[in-house]
Amino acid sequence: QVQLQESGPGLVKPSQTLSLTCTVSGGSISSDDNYWSWIRQPPGKGLEWIGHIYYNGNTYYNPSLKSRVTISVDRSKMHFSLRLNSVTAADTAVYYCAREYLGGNWFDPWGQGTLVTVSS
Amino acid sequence: QSVLTQPPSVSGAPGQRVTISCTGSSSNIGAGYDVHWYQQLPGTAPKLLIYGNSNRPSGVPDRFSGSKSGSSASLAITGLQAEDEADYYCQSYDSSLKVFGGGTKLTVL
Repeated sequence: QVQLQESGPGLVKPSQTLSLTCTVSGGSISSDDNYWSWIRQPPGKGLEWIGHIYYNGNTYYNPSLKSRVTISVDRSKMHFSLRLNSVTAADTAVYYCAREYLGGNWFDPWGQGTLVTVSS
Repeated sequence: QSVLTQPPSVSGAPGQRVTISCTGSSSNIGAGYDVHWYQQLPGTAPKLLIYGNSNRPSGVPDRFSGSKSGSSASLAITGLQAEDEADYYCQSYDSSLKVFGGGTKLTVL
């Protein structure tokens, strides 16, 4: 079955750019019945949907982050990526990638998550 | 504040039944959008528990059930077990966004 794995730096300095990659295995990243999403969870807090990308590159972002977020896909490498610029301490969180079912908008499966700390 | 409202905590003894509510509004659950539930065990990623209001993915015990009525939804857990101690999140759709409840911590006494 499909498995997702996040990777990227665990520490980012304030005002710099957070960059993460999610590698998809066990299935096709070019499937037309799902999106690929990023979700984050600040320590001790709830979940926030960041945005998603379709296999053809179409994206949709949470308006609260839209000005700072870019999600891209590389089908040849079977991965999709998140870039969040101008980060502050408020962006410190565990970042998850997940498959989002197009018809129902639920997330399954999720990657294991990666903690990104914004600190100088 | 989360768009969907959940109680911060619930508790129950082993073997008991507990319910977790998820209250939305006319722009999300009340608009007919489905509700999904996730279980997050300590230190792990959320796992899909219920999708489409009341459907269980393969492998999820039938002790877990979901329902929806009006602008609210509920997750019920029967025959409570120690391993059910976790955070539970509801999720729906609102104004082109996927939105989550604030989460409910379930304590098994």
